[in-house]
Amino acid sequence: QVQLQESGPGLVKPSETLSLTCAVSGYSISSGYYWGWIRQPPGKGLEWIGSIYHSGSTYYNPSLKSRVTISVDTSKNQFSLKLSSVTAADTAVYYCARCSMTTVNFDYWGQGTLVTVSS
Amino acid sequence: QSVLTQPPSVSAAPGQKVTISCSGSSSNIGNNYVSWYQQLPGTAPKLLIYDNNKRPSGIPDRFSGSKSGTSATLGITGLQTGDEADYYCGTWDSSLSAGRYVFGTGTKVTVL
Repeated sequence: QVQLQESGPGLVKPSETLSLTCAVSGYSISSGYYWGWIRQPPGKGLEWIGSIYHSGSTYYNPSLKSRVTISVDTSKNQFSLKLSSVTAADTAVYYCARCSMTTVNFDYWGQGTLVTVSS
Repeated sequence: QSVLTQPPSVSAAPGQKVTISCSGSSSNIGNNYVSWYQQLPGTAPKLLIYDNNKRPSGIPDRFSGSKSGTSATLGITGLQTGDEADYYCGTWDSSLSAGRYVFGTGTKVTVL
């Protein structure tokens, strides 16, 4: 069974960089699929942040592209998100998920982690 | 502001049927597959329908999906209290120079 688990600081100061890691178990990242990040501000809808392939190929949401970096570490079977220059508007639950980019859907999700941006 | 529009809420009694619409354009739904996600309170979203009308293993056939032109629909029959959740459609959108995955505005299903 594919499982994903997000980890990282729950509190980030404004203007700093948010960093999260998603550990994957039950499936080798190198075997295929893209791996993505999605966020959900409290009480609001879902927003796709970006996705990465094991080769390092990435797709980013144009609205966040200038601040986002997604990387992959196949040796640890995990991938990471960095979001720079954060503001209160970046406060959200951040989910990692496995992503099929052929027909594009997210079939396995982590439980999510709340990141609050506040001084 | 999402490019995919869903009704904010729908409701029905147990055992009844509800449908949730997802309206888009030729830049998204019209030329790409649609997925549907169920988000129970306090939990992560779960894939319910993919490729417009396919169900992942373990999803009961009470849930169905369809697409016509630039709109998609999720149907839930035999409504149960456990179906109370937020439902989101999603698809690839190519209206910008670089594509992006977009989710619908979300619909809250209430079982009366």
